[in-house]
Amino acid sequence: KAGVTQTPRYLIKTRGQQVTLSCSPISGHRSVSWYQQTPGQGLQFLFEYFSETQRNKGNFPGRFSGRQFSNSRSEMNVSTLELGDSALYLCASSLDSMGNTEAFFGQGTRLTVV
Amino acid sequence: GEDVEQSLFLSVREGDSSVINCTYTDSSSTYLYWYKQEPGAGLQLLTYIFSNMDMKQDQRLTVLLNKKDKHLSLRIADTQTGDSAIYFCAESRDTGFQKLVFGTGTRLLVSP
Repeated sequence: KAGVTQTPRYLIKTRGQQVTLSCSPISGHRSVSWYQQTPGQGLQFLFEYFSETQRNKGNFPGRFSGRQFSNSRSEMNVSTLELGDSALYLCASSLDSMGNTEAFFGQGTRLTVV
Repeated sequence: GEDVEQSLFLSVREGDSSVINCTYTDSSSTYLYWYKQEPGAGLQLLTYIFSNMDMKQDQRLTVLLNKKDKHLSLRIADTQTGDSAIYFCAESRDTGFQKLVFGTGTRLLVSP
């Protein structure tokens, strides 16, 4: 069974631009959550989607947004990029939205803002 | 609070056992996880334990949970050089959505 697929793997953008990252969950999984990993802040929760609905959002500015499609694939968007947005963005897939099942992560998208 | 604490670094020799510790603050946590991250890679789920368990063993991995002290540990038996990585503990609360709160990560270095 295929794992969680994130595209692209690497991305370089300029300050002020916007970016869209994609995540395809494991087949049959309906929950997708997103995390930002930086050396300074560690792993931080961005948001979680289940059945095309955002269930919870972390403490990030409104420039960070996402959505989920009917096939459970998810995208996250960051507008007006800042240097501090440089990070590894990880998405996790799980069977349902309850916090009692295993979450499997993709390889991540490394975003560099210059 | 949401703080999950881990020691930053652990160095062991190949063949020894490694013990990575984690403390958390939220007593309502239902599941506690251990993830491994190798350089340039995502997070690999190693094992997890439900909060009503004290211990879980999975091949070379043993997880111990002391709920009273909010202390979680991961023991790796017969540590190999391929075990060198960063290990994260994470807690999940049964709040209806999949949100993990991660520890700071412990870098394990295994020397031959």
